[in-house]
Amino acid sequence: SAVISQKPSRDICQRGTSLTIQCQVDSQVTMMFWYRQQPGQSLTLIATANQGSEATYESGFVIDKFPISRPNLTFSTLTVSNMSPEDSSIYLCSGIGDRAHEQYFGPGTRLTVT
Amino acid sequence: AQSVTQPDIHITVSEGASLELRCNYSYGATPYLFWYVQSPGQGLQLLLKYFSGDTLVQGIKGFEAEFKRSQSSFNLRKPSVHWSDAAEYFCAVGAHPVGGGNKLTFGTGTQLKVEL
Repeated sequence: SAVISQKPSRDICQRGTSLTIQCQVDSQVTMMFWYRQQPGQSLTLIATANQGSEATYESGFVIDKFPISRPNLTFSTLTVSNMSPEDSSIYLCSGIGDRAHEQYFGPGTRLTVT
Repeated sequence: AQSVTQPDIHITVSEGASLELRCNYSYGATPYLFWYVQSPGQGLQLLLKYFSGDTLVQGIKGFEAEFKRSQSSFNLRKPSVHWSDAAEYFCAVGAHPVGGGNKLTFGTGTQLKVEL
């Protein structure tokens, strides 16, 4: 299994600012994803992070708001741009390794926007 | 489009009692089904998964789940609940990796409370 870490674990930010969340995997993964979990709700897929190319965004999510990078097979970043209180959520990254379908999740980044 | 329904938002059971968490899915092809658990302040941990074959799958921590195609269900069970099982449980359905991209669609979760 893959071990996934995220930084920061939590942050409180002011509206209008941006926050970059880092996701590090301890082994190479074929695919990486970013999810959002709004308070009291389930997880919603934001995008698939593609190595060396633009991320693939789900409906309702755009690159200008959630730019994503994945420079190599073990690292990805998600930026939440021009934040508003509605962006207060837990953001989780995940990865799929050698065993297809076994998607492992990081501990999440709890973001509060004031 | 794929979807997952977890009809029970909250469930309370006594320690030592049996547990069943319900999950119904909608998917146009053979589903890949998962159960995850999320403890407070933690990420998601994979409990078990179903891809094909035996419809009764065993997972970690004594959990099992049964895939019933006729009912579009994948209910999670445990014969005897421990206080440490208190957490939120998510059912998820995934697309076939070839062409599907392994995207997961999650249910809204079931919060399990265990009474001592």
